[in-house]
Formats: sequence, structure tokens, C-alpha cells
Amino acid sequence: GAGVSQSPRYKVTKRGQDVALRCDPISGHVSLYWYRQALGQGPEFLTYFNYEAQQDKSGLPNDRFSAERPEGSISTLTIQRTEQRDSAMYRCASSQVGGTATQYFGPGTRLLVL
Amino acid sequence: AQSVTQLDSHVSVSEGTPVLLRCNYSSSYSPSLFWYVQHPNKGLQLLLKYTSAATLVKGINGFEAEFKKSETSFHLTKPSAHMSDAAEYFCVVSIGRGTYKYIFGTGTRLKVLA
Repeated sequence: GAGVSQSPRYKVTKRGQDVALRCDPISGHVSLYWYRQALGQGPEFLTYFNYEAQQDKSGLPNDRFSAERPEGSISTLTIQRTEQRDSAMYRCASSQVGGTATQYFGPGTRLLVL
Repeated sequence: AQSVTQLDSHVSVSEGTPVLLRCNYSSSYSPSLFWYVQHPNKGLQLLLKYTSAATLVKGINGFEAEFKKSETSFHLTKPSAHMSDAAEYFCVVSIGRGTYKYIFGTGTRLKVLA
């Protein structure tokens, strides 16, 4: 595609529900990243993939958060048993394989947990 | 550990005057450095990047930044501000070395006065 796309753009859910956030990277990009951005802060790294392999998940805050990229293209970030503190903008980025490759960001999904 | 410090959370300039947004980094390795801009309700857009080539880097929309290793700085400048430059700016460091995650600064909100 022309750019990174994310869906849904906005998600309102009740505390305790599970949510799945989708990222569709730029066609041909090997690497895919997830970040979380709280209001008034810079994005913080969550996890990243090369192809379908999860290379680094050190930023996932706890075991309620998981991500997958089963076919090396679209990725899903899942948050189980959501809590109010999970409310944030979730951003996805993709790039050519590692190194100094520039990451291109999607528009983000704003999650609000009531 | 790698980190980025943006020294000003808010900067106000008059239209037509120079812009200076300050960034200092900390890295054990030779870093790649980036500036991204975020306009309201839009995604993150790359302004410019430094990857160990020329220390003075030119970006889009008239912005440039100079990598100064001795000062561990990567300040963003523009000779003449335009109203459309009003946005939030993020300084970013990436160290590679097996993980290519970005580490973002906390952001500088630029206000341009008519």
C-alpha cells in the first residue's frame, strides 16, 4: 500500500474487555514495530518483528499484551483484560530491514478504556 | 543505556524568525539520530536523519540539524519559521546493534506567532 495503515482508528472499550489492534505495513517492508504514546509523551517501544519473527518484546508492559505477525505482513497487537491505564495512542511503523532504515509510521489507534 | 533529552517542552517564535529545537542524546555506540514532526491528529513524519555520513543534515521544509559528537547534541534549526511549522517535534535515537527500536524524546511543541 501507499503507507502504513492501522485499524480501528478509534476504539472505546470497557475495562476487562479484550481488544485487537491491526497494522498493515508498507508493502515489502520486512520490519514492523509497535509503540505506545501516552498523552503529552513521546512514543515508547513495545515490540518489533522481522518477517514473522518477533525479535524484541522487551517493551511489552506485562503479559496482558501480545503481538503476532503470522505471515510476515499484517500484525495484530492484542491487549487482554484491558485496564484504564492502557488508554493511549498505539502506533505502528514499518521499515526495510533494520540498520539505519527509516521507520514509517501509521496514523495510530487511539484506545480509550472506560 | 540510550536516551534522548529534549531541553524545551515548548518553544514560541514569531513568523519569519529562526527556529532552534534542542536535543541531547546519550548512547554507548554510534547512534542514528532522527527528527520527526507530528501535526495535530496526524501521524509522525520524518524530517531528517543522521546516519554517520555528513554531520550537517538537511531535511524537508527547510529544516536542518547538526550532529556534534563532542557535545552529544543534534539540534534542529530552520532560518525562518512559517505558520505551518506549528507542531510537535520529536528527537529520536536508534542504536541498531541487534535491535532497531527507536527511543523518543518527550517532544517539543513549537508555536509560531503571527
